[in-house]
Amino acid sequence: LAKTTQPISMDSYEGQEVNITCSHNNIATNDYITWYQQFPSQGPRFIIQGYKTKVTNEVASLFIPADRKSSTLSLPRVSLSDTAVYYCLVGATNTGFQKLVFGTGTRLLVSP
Amino acid sequence: EAGVTQFPSHSVIEKGQTVTLRCDPISGHDNLYWYRRVMGKEIKFLLHFVKESKQDESGMPNNRFLAERTGGTYSTLKVQPAELEDSGVYFCASSQEQYSDTQYFGPGTRLTVL
Repeated sequence: LAKTTQPISMDSYEGQEVNITCSHNNIATNDYITWYQQFPSQGPRFIIQGYKTKVTNEVASLFIPADRKSSTLSLPRVSLSDTAVYYCLVGATNTGFQKLVFGTGTRLLVSP
Repeated sequence: EAGVTQFPSHSVIEKGQTVTLRCDPISGHDNLYWYRRVMGKEIKFLLHFVKESKQDESGMPNNRFLAERTGGTYSTLKVQPAELEDSGVYFCASSQEQYSDTQYFGPGTRLTVL
């Protein structure tokens, strides 16, 4: 599975847009990019997945440039409850996601 | 619909003792996974069941760990004898499809070995 690199931590304030970038230079053709969110004392939770360009759901947007060597998770107008660790994972849905490989994640702290 | 549940939420045992963790997956999910995070490290895969069969146990650290899933429903993870380095949070996850990018995680069991 492709190795990913994310910032260790980020700080934001309520109402701001937060963008977390993940680097995955060795992404393979069949790999998808998936983001999980983990709140304190809970297990990780799937939030979004994409292959290229842009994906949007009710929680976040995912931007993937043409070369796919990076991706950006965008959280619009964050609230205190968005304080969590965000993990970027890369793998092929037909083979690689049987065992998720978590990196260090990005610890997002949202302040009032 | 109930999510993945784990029991106990916390366990404190002494080195050398035995502990059994339990995971109840989402009903109908054939795939069940165990992960753990030890002492500030990253979450690591332990093993994957498809129904009652072990599909992949490449992440099991050693033979002190025994996972079972009799009947293809709930699963147990036994650590015997427990060592200090086993302390951490053990997560269970389940998914409906084998090659699924969406795994549903339980809240975890925090294990402390003294």
